[in-house]
Amino acid sequence: AQKVTQAQTEISVVEKEDVTLDCVYETRDTTYYLFWYKQPPSGELVFLIRRNSFDEQNEISGRYSWNFQKSTSSFNFTITASQVVDSAVYFCALSEEAAGNKLTFGGGTRVLVKP
Amino acid sequence: KAGVTQTPRYLIKTRGQQVTLSCSPISGHRSVSWYQQTPGQGLQFLFEYFSETQRNKGNFPGRFSGRQFSNSRSEMNVSTLELGDSALYLCASSNRSSGNTIYFGEGSWLTVV
Repeated sequence: AQKVTQAQTEISVVEKEDVTLDCVYETRDTTYYLFWYKQPPSGELVFLIRRNSFDEQNEISGRYSWNFQKSTSSFNFTITASQVVDSAVYFCALSEEAAGNKLTFGGGTRVLVKP
Repeated sequence: KAGVTQTPRYLIKTRGQQVTLSCSPISGHRSVSWYQQTPGQGLQFLFEYFSETQRNKGNFPGRFSGRQFSNSRSEMNVSTLELGDSALYLCASSNRSSGNTIYFGEGSWLTVV
């Protein structure tokens, strides 16, 4: 069965510091998809990135970057030069090809960026 | 392009009552999924509908049900509400049966008293 673990429950940083969020997943499927979402206090889950299991190319988008390593089943997310607006809960999620669009979420990491 | 729209945004119900939540997916999206989020259990999958058929179901009691209409709009219903059903209910949509981006609505905050 699929499982997603986010070991860090809360991270507190000062503005402009970098912050890295860890995500480890388990799946038996060879085709799967990994996601990161941001949840501000309003509740909506804001999509950040999707990666499929055949694409290990790391990506940078503005201040965000992602490191996908199949060998260690990890999909880590880094915010560079954090800002107060980055304060939110971040969720890593996994969907398996065989399970359609069913997402399995990690427990989330709360990021608090202090000015 | 409008996002995923959920109604109502906030509601308060009494134990034993039933509730219906509505979700309008992004135009052109045929897959709609529902999730329950609580502080204790986190984000849990309820069910997914694709082209009016339930494709997948999470581990929830039969009091939780859903359906999808021909225009892809979806509703979920919870009967005989319990205090533990108090949660944020999130709807998500996607334009493929798997593997594409999944977008979420703002959610419906349900409080059972």
